[in-house]
Amino acid sequence: DAKTTQPPSMDCAEGRAANLPCNHSTISGNEYVYWYRQIHSQGPQYIIHGLKNNETNEMASLIITEDRKSSTLILPHATLRDTAVYYCIVRDINAGGTSYGKLTFGQGTILTVHP
Amino acid sequence: GAGVSQSPSNKVTEKGKDVELRCDPISGHTALYWYRQSLGQGLEFLIYFQGNSAPDKSGLPSDRFSAERTGGSVSTLTIQRTQQEDSAVYLCASSLWTGIENTIYFGEGSWLTVV
Repeated sequence: DAKTTQPPSMDCAEGRAANLPCNHSTISGNEYVYWYRQIHSQGPQYIIHGLKNNETNEMASLIITEDRKSSTLILPHATLRDTAVYYCIVRDINAGGTSYGKLTFGQGTILTVHP
Repeated sequence: GAGVSQSPSNKVTEKGKDVELRCDPISGHTALYWYRQSLGQGLEFLIYFQGNSAPDKSGLPSDRFSAERTGGSVSTLTIQRTQQEDSAVYLCASSLWTGIENTIYFGEGSWLTVV
């Protein structure tokens, strides 16, 4: 079962920041927070990941609370092409772990960016 | 290739026939995952390979499903005696799995329709 909770849907105006929340209150020390998105009819696309520090790349920023129980994915200037399902996933990257680093997807958040 | 490649991209088969789906992971990636996504549903883990071994087959839904990997590269997912409920997108993903760089990258999927 997925270990994260996300709102089922969100809207955002084009050009504005999209802030997608995720709750992962049972996250353990070996687990990272990963974000993927899936645009209709395509395979999931990696966005960003982090352990406890805030992270930024060319696609997005990831803000993780100090207690690591929640995080927020920020798309700073959303475009229509950012309309997708966004998945927040906690992942154990310990190579010796029994989860073998696999991603367990929940239902995600459907983000709709409108003009 | 630059990304995970899957073939065929689309397959229509008659109920009861066998199908083979192929995955070419990113060159050098030792970890390989298969997922399934039924229409309107989330992504469901099927099987994980590390090299040619499959330490986690826990997601295979029945003994009609099998997968193999040869040469630590190409993987084939085989579905025997297909049923209509097997209709789905079958997604392959790969990762370096060094413990440092282990982001999982997905292909575009093989769309299977059983009629």
